[in-house]
Amino acid sequence: DQQVKQNSPSLSVQEGRISILNCDYTNSMFDYFLWYKKYPAEGPTFLISISSIKDKNEDGRFTVFLNKSAKHLSLHIVPSQPGDSAVYFCAAHVAGAQKLVFGQGTRLTINP
Amino acid sequence: DTAVSQTPKYLVTQMGNDKSIKCEQNLGHDTMYWYKQDSKKFLKIMFSYNNKELIINETVPNRFSPKSPDKAHLNLHINSLELGDSAVYFCASSTRQGAYYEQYFGPGTRLTVT
Repeated sequence: DQQVKQNSPSLSVQEGRISILNCDYTNSMFDYFLWYKKYPAEGPTFLISISSIKDKNEDGRFTVFLNKSAKHLSLHIVPSQPGDSAVYFCAAHVAGAQKLVFGQGTRLTINP
Repeated sequence: DTAVSQTPKYLVTQMGNDKSIKCEQNLGHDTMYWYKQDSKKFLKIMFSYNNKELIINETVPNRFSPKSPDKAHLNLHINSLELGDSAVYFCASSTRQGAYYEQYFGPGTRLTVT
């Protein structure tokens, strides 16, 4: 029973273009959604978050959009840079439980 | 200065052995976690401790026993290791103040059971 799903295992984008990573969820008890970035042999690093009562949060090149009716969120990276090549995990925080539920990750490759 | 550190980074051992993984955080956080990333790359929570008290135990076999000597440390002891225990184990920490939903992860410990 996977409550958070990232249906694209990989994505390849040209440097300078926009990268869009998608995530779907099924549980309405999540109060925050987060994106983590992970390089090989390292732990996940927090990137950006959004409250369940918001529909957009922006931080520099990174913007997260939340569509509550569709139970869908997306991470936009623009412009994409080679250093953005990593695995991106979508995560959802369970309200009151202090617990994160992760998607299975999307490997983003930025081509020069 | 490493915020969340784990030792060892790699651990290779035989079935039936007992092993421990250590975790320390210097962020002043009061909650610590263990996650397991299996071969399919899913990251799943195993345990969480708040101020040395067990908060979450996600139906993990009782061969796994977390120990929190103080709120900056959360160790994971595994008895009678099985092949299926091979995975990457991540420690994480968070605070209940402010951005309580953000968790900070260690670099992971790759456990291989042969």
